[in-house]
Amino acid sequence: EIVLTQSPGTLSLSPGERATLSCRASQNVTGDSLAWYQQNPGQAPRLLMYGASKRATGVPDRFSGGGSGTDFTLTINRLEPADFVVYYCQQYGSSSFTFGPGTRVDIK
Amino acid sequence: QVQLVQSGAVVKKPGASVKLSCKASGYAFTHHYMHWVRQAPGQGLEWMGIINPSGGSTFYAQTLQDRVTMTRDTSTTSVYLELTSLKSEDTAVYFCARASSRGWPNDPFDVWGQGTMLVVSS
Repeated sequence: EIVLTQSPGTLSLSPGERATLSCRASQNVTGDSLAWYQQNPGQAPRLLMYGASKRATGVPDRFSGGGSGTDFTLTINRLEPADFVVYYCQQYGSSSFTFGPGTRVDIK
Repeated sequence: QVQLVQSGAVVKKPGASVKLSCKASGYAFTHHYMHWVRQAPGQGLEWMGIINPSGGSTFYAQTLQDRVTMTRDTSTTSVYLELTSLKSEDTAVYFCARASSRGWPNDPFDVWGQGTMLVVSS
């Protein structure tokens, strides 16, 4: 099973700043099958990015993803108040669809 | 519109079993694989397994495969999650989620149900 590690656990930033979230896999993620989800408190996760760098429908271009193999990043430019929530990475290239532990983006 | 609507919150005693439902609408039910994901209070997301609504084949997370069964009913466009021998550690919100591409299991989850809270307590 592929284990995903996210860092940092919590990121404290101010509105307008840039957030860079990291996701590292214990082994190569097949076909860069890496997704990012955003989760608001009490709600289901929302798909943000897939294929490491493709934005899901309706996701603003302030969000971008990159990386390949075992190292991936999610970048959020010009943070807005609604962005201060939790983000999870997920690999979907193997038979077990594992999630990372999450990164919380807090208002400094 | 495409949506997944899940059954309501439930409380069970340790050792009991539970069956949760997820009704799909707004798309061709048999065209998209469906997953179950759970989230314990204050914790992260745990993938539980996948079902092919077309043929009913399943694949479960190794940690749960002895206690979990996923089924589907094409007549009601619903998928079901049954979890047996419940423990307090099974207390969580359970989500169903759809794989985004037609006929392909290895895809991101583009539509999610609202979640069902399961509390296991004596």
